[in-house]
Amino acid sequence: DSGVTQTPKHLITATGQRVTLRCSPRSGDLSVYWYQQSLDQGLQFLIQYYNGEERAKGNILERFSAQQFPDLHSELNLSSLELGDSALYFCASSGGLAGGTDTQYFGPGTRLTVL
Amino acid sequence: AQKVTQAQTEISVVEKEDVTLDCVYETRDTTYYLFWYKQPPSGELVFLIRRNSFDEQNEISGRYSWNFQKSTSSFNFTITASQVVDSAVYFCALSSKTSGSRLTFGEGTQLTVNP
Repeated sequence: DSGVTQTPKHLITATGQRVTLRCSPRSGDLSVYWYQQSLDQGLQFLIQYYNGEERAKGNILERFSAQQFPDLHSELNLSSLELGDSALYFCASSGGLAGGTDTQYFGPGTRLTVL
Repeated sequence: AQKVTQAQTEISVVEKEDVTLDCVYETRDTTYYLFWYKQPPSGELVFLIRRNSFDEQNEISGRYSWNFQKSTSSFNFTITASQVVDSAVYFCALSSKTSGSRLTFGEGTQLTVNP
């Protein structure tokens, strides 16, 4: 158990809908990262938050947004869902910024299925 | 740009055989960090090891060992006396100071250990 929690574990929804994925980092970790794992794209970095502020953006679609709250939990919002958004979404956390030196610990993931 | 290549898509071995998973990376940074993660059939991503670019010592942890060679930009992972529970997808990943904290993952190697 990495100490990172994600809810829900599974999510099934229809095209055009909006969903929210939730992540709680390990105790004491200030950075939260979101990754998408799909069959065609592999594991892709989406976005990073550090202590409530956005710090880095990867290949995140404009239909997707995220935020980190004062209690450090994070939410990833996916809107106008398309079939291609079906994937496993991971949250990871690490202690701080540290420019890449931190080890990221991953949550169990949320499997999103868009029908 | 950074890149991680895991040329072996799938490997199948019989229990108790030794197996090596290859990882080749590309980065222009002189300071970088390499990781291995394991993704068992249950789907979570489990951290195995982190290696800093300035530390070329090989590491052994039980049946696992890692061979880091800067000269060939490789960070290979060997499992000695493989067991059925080692069956999983293994990912090699890279981060560096200039890329921020994002992890760049390889495509993964599916290891199947047969009884």
